[in-house]
Amino acid sequence: DAGITQSPRHKVTETGTPVTLRCHQTENHRYMYWYRQDPGHGLRLIHYSYGVKDTDKGEVSDGYSVSRSKTEDFLLTLESATSSQTSVYFCAISESELNYGYTFGSGTRLTVV
Amino acid sequence: QKEVEQDPGPLSVPEGAIVSLNCTYSNSAFQYFMWYRQYSRKGPELLMYTYSSGNKEDGRFTAQVDKSSKYISLFIRDSQPSDSATYLCAMSVEAGKSTFGDGTTLTVKP
Repeated sequence: DAGITQSPRHKVTETGTPVTLRCHQTENHRYMYWYRQDPGHGLRLIHYSYGVKDTDKGEVSDGYSVSRSKTEDFLLTLESATSSQTSVYFCAISESELNYGYTFGSGTRLTVV
Repeated sequence: QKEVEQDPGPLSVPEGAIVSLNCTYSNSAFQYFMWYRQYSRKGPELLMYTYSSGNKEDGRFTAQVDKSSKYISLFIRDSQPSDSATYLCAMSVEAGKSTFGDGTTLTVKP
């Protein structure tokens, strides 16, 4: 997707290991979000950021932490991965404090074995 | 009960049909309403955005918001096989933090 890149695209990891997912944007947008998508649950907000070093928790933040040291990068860390964190993770960006909708990345498919 | 409920589908229609996709919500503070389209193994892409009540049209797509009934709809006219995807409604009170429906999967058969 133009302007927003997620890495890695796929990852398999073992239970108990830390995992970091990266979201990189070239749009200079202020707001960045991490969602997870699971069958039967739709997209659920994990954490979001409204500026460098300004982050807040979403609906399903337990077991996750985030950091934003630069406008363009938003990192999601699974501190000790569990099988319940197997999911597809999407990063999204938005320009304004008025919600005109998000631009999403292509997603990271994470499997915890 | 979820804040946003979306007709689960799946929905299968013939090419050229009019499609109606619907969501209801419980939070009367929602004021931003969005529809996204998601193709398999891709990220969602924004289709329509509406602020408060009313209708908005963009080509073959029309979004309707009825805040008094807490009900939103997306209509697709002259549906095409390329419209086959999962459609997600989303809504928010303020900046960011959108709440999404679970999605309706649509198949348009040639």
